[in-house]
Amino acid sequence: EVQLVESGGGLVQPGGSLRLSCEASGFTFSSYEMNWVRQAPGKGLEWVSYISSSGSTKYYVDSVKGRFTISRDNAKNSLYLQMNSLRAEDTAVYYCASPPSKTGRWGQGTLVTVSS
Amino acid sequence: EIVMTQSPATLSVSPGERATLSCRASQSVSSSLAWYQQRPGQAPRLLIYGASARATGIPGRFSGSGSGTEFTLTISSLQSEDSAVYYCQQYNNWPPTWTFGQGTKVEIK
Repeated sequence: EVQLVESGGGLVQPGGSLRLSCEASGFTFSSYEMNWVRQAPGKGLEWVSYISSSGSTKYYVDSVKGRFTISRDNAKNSLYLQMNSLRAEDTAVYYCASPPSKTGRWGQGTLVTVSS
Repeated sequence: EIVMTQSPATLSVSPGERATLSCRASQSVSSSLAWYQQRPGQAPRLLIYGASARATGIPGRFSGSGSGTEFTLTISSLQSEDSAVYYCQQYNNWPPTWTFGQGTKVEIK
């Protein structure tokens, strides 16, 4: 069964850093592009970042450029999101997601709260 | 940037009736359109990809149609467990960015 499990969320002060992880199983992780999507409390879905299957190509939403870095380790079947200079508006549940396909999946999400 | 607009914002339907949700793209996305269901407190679940193909394990009462800029998600016979927010998503080939509609909340009468 395709499964994505996020971890690493928590409470952090404004200006702080967090590193999110997403562990994949049940599919050939190294063959898939991957994404991070977030959802602020009571709000809709916002795409955050993309990484190609090899890790060589990355894209970000404008609001996180220069602060967030996406990466992956195909040997460990893992996706990461390094988040620096965090702001209150980054407070959200962060999901890792595979592209829409017959077996497309999202993880259960990890909550990031930025507050003093 | 491609903007996705969903209508209506809220849809109230009786059990067993048909629910029709709409999604419009500000420019053509061909068939790169997906639909997700999000129940309260849960992660989004992929229902439809490629505008009309059902993801694994999705019941046949969910169907998608459309191409270009106009898309529809139909739930043919609403069940109580279908109460949720439904999002459409475009996944342009290049650049590989995603944008989502604002969501349609489906309520059971």
